[in-house]
Amino acid sequence: NAGVTQTPKFQVLKTGQSMTLQCAQDMNHNSMYWYRQDPGMGLRLIYYSASEGTTDKGEVPNGYNVSRLNKREFSLRLESAAPSQTSVYFCASSEALRVASGANVLTFGAGSRLTVL
Amino acid sequence: GNSVTQMEGPVTLSEEAFLTINCTYTATGYPSLFWYVQYPGEGLQLLLKATKADDKGSNKGFEATYRKETTSFHLEKGSVQVSDSAVYFCALITGGGYNKLIFGAGTRLAVHP
Repeated sequence: NAGVTQTPKFQVLKTGQSMTLQCAQDMNHNSMYWYRQDPGMGLRLIYYSASEGTTDKGEVPNGYNVSRLNKREFSLRLESAAPSQTSVYFCASSEALRVASGANVLTFGAGSRLTVL
Repeated sequence: GNSVTQMEGPVTLSEEAFLTINCTYTATGYPSLFWYVQYPGEGLQLLLKATKADDKGSNKGFEATYRKETTSFHLEKGSVQVSDSAVYFCALITGGGYNKLIFGAGTRLAVHP
């Protein structure tokens, strides 16, 4: 039971380089999310995808792009990395964007630690 | 706006001690409340949840009660173990719009033998 798989786990970039973080889920979930985690700030939503073919901005989308390649995969791209993007990135998925009870449970990947020098 | 405030850590306890991690929230409407736990080197996983006032969520010996009158959802455990060492995040989902998950800053718990 893989759940949510992220690659790579670690990456070091130089300022201005580009890279893509990959995420795949095998739970047949409709909705997927990218968060970043910074010390003392909890998790902040970068982008989300309600369903295959749709993407929307979250709280902190600047400097990022996303692609919902298919139902399973949701990638996050940094076109020109900056030191402020040094963070731990988490991909997550859920059954739907909204559930009737409001108790929408997210399943998270193990995270990707990115350092931008 | 909607927000979650947690007690600052780290919280350091001896094994078998009683744990409380405070969490208060500000939200419009009737949010659902969650505790997520992050073990070292892993992603977050749901620990427990409560969807309405006076509900008690519980799992693995942890409990939290949704208190609307005090807008709180404090996490408690009667006897912690070394294996409980982790970062604990309180979170809420707002009632309006899509189910956006809003996290607190997290509280690191370290349990020593």
